[in-house]
Amino acid sequence: GAGVSQSPRYKVAKRGQDVALRCDPISGHVSLFWYQQALGQGPEFLTYFQNEAQLDKSGLPSDRFFAERPEGSVSTLKIQRTQQEDSAVYLCASSSGTGESIQYFGAGTRLSVL
Amino acid sequence: QKEVEQNSGPLSVPEGAIASLNCTYSDRGSQSFFWYRQYSGKSPELIMFIYSNGDKEDGRFTAQLNKASQYVSLLIRDSQPSDSATYLCAVNPGPGGSYIPTFGRGTSLIVHP
Repeated sequence: GAGVSQSPRYKVAKRGQDVALRCDPISGHVSLFWYQQALGQGPEFLTYFQNEAQLDKSGLPSDRFFAERPEGSVSTLKIQRTQQEDSAVYLCASSSGTGESIQYFGAGTRLSVL
Repeated sequence: QKEVEQNSGPLSVPEGAIASLNCTYSDRGSQSFFWYRQYSGKSPELIMFIYSNGDKEDGRFTAQLNKASQYVSLLIRDSQPSDSATYLCAVNPGPGGSYIPTFGRGTSLIVHP
């Protein structure tokens, strides 16, 4: 595709609900990153995939957060039993290689947990 | 804990002036440095990257890196109102370390006519 696509753009969830956020990276991009961005803050790393392998998930804040990229393309970030502190913008980025390749960001999903 | 520090601002400059944005980082072994621009409600967009000490120029933008002082800056010449945005500094440890960048909180820049 032309760019990184994320859906939905906005999600409102009641506390305790499960949510799933989708990221469709640039076609052929090997690396995929998920970030969480709170208001007025920079993106905070959540997890990283190289193709279908999840190489780093050290940034996931709790075991309620789960990410997958089963075919090495589209990725889903799932948050179970959402809490108010999960409210943030979730950004996905992809890059063509590994290591220090330039990252291209999607528009993000703004999650509001009521 | 790797840290990347930026003054949150806002930094306000008049149109046509030079805007200077600064970033310091804690990991002395860091290898690559990125500046992203983020308009309100939009995603970060890469504007510059730099790997070597010194200056790197691209149009109205100049990135400056001083690894000894663990300092990277972004200069914007002839600032325009359309440059008003938040500028994020990102630092990547590079080869031999994690490839995961650490972002600063960003500096808000306001260019007023």
